[in-house]
Amino acid sequence: EVQLVESGGGLVKPGGSLRLSCAASGFTFSSYSMNWVRQAPGTGLEWVSSISGTSSYIYYADSVKGRFTISRDNAKRSLYLQMSSLRAEDTAVYYCARSVMYQPSDYWGQGTLVTVSS
Amino acid sequence: QSVVTQPPSASGTPGQRVTISCSGSSSNIGSNTVNWYQHLPGTAPKLLIYSNNQRPSGVPDRFSGSKSGTSASLAISGLQSEDEADYYCAAWDDSLKGVVFGGGTKLTVL
Repeated sequence: EVQLVESGGGLVKPGGSLRLSCAASGFTFSSYSMNWVRQAPGTGLEWVSSISGTSSYIYYADSVKGRFTISRDNAKRSLYLQMSSLRAEDTAVYYCARSVMYQPSDYWGQGTLVTVSS
Repeated sequence: QSVVTQPPSASGTPGQRVTISCSGSSSNIGSNTVNWYQHLPGTAPKLLIYSNNQRPSGVPDRFSGSKSGTSASLAISGLQSEDEADYYCAAWDDSLKGVVFGGGTKLTVL
């Protein structure tokens, strides 16, 4: 069974940093691209970033480019999102999701809440 | 404002058939496959349709998807109360180099 479990969310002040993690199980992690998708309160789903299985290809939404860094450790079957220079508008539930590159995701985690507030 | 457009709301009575539309452009829906998701607050989005019209195992055949040109649609037949949720379409966008989601459609079962 495919399982994706996010962690690392919490309350952080504007301008601060936070690192999200996603632990994967139930599939060959290195064979899949991985993604972060977020949902701000009262809004829809927004794609944040994607990384290919070998980390050769990485893409970011314009809204986070230069502030967020996606990475993965295939040996640990883990995905990460390093978030810096956080803004109030980054407040959202962040989901880890699996996909084939250049396609939307199939399996999603339950999400972790990030709140940016002073 | 989303690059891909969905109606913000839809409704139907139990047993009825409802269709949700998803309108994009040549750089997303027009050149890539579409997925549809069902999302309940506080839960993980659930894949309903992939590759425009394919259902994952376990998804009832009441759910069907189609695509034509730069638009796609999700049809739900035999509407049930548990179908009340938010529905999103998504596709890769070749110009933006990322996944684009529709704004979401809130389905109400009257």
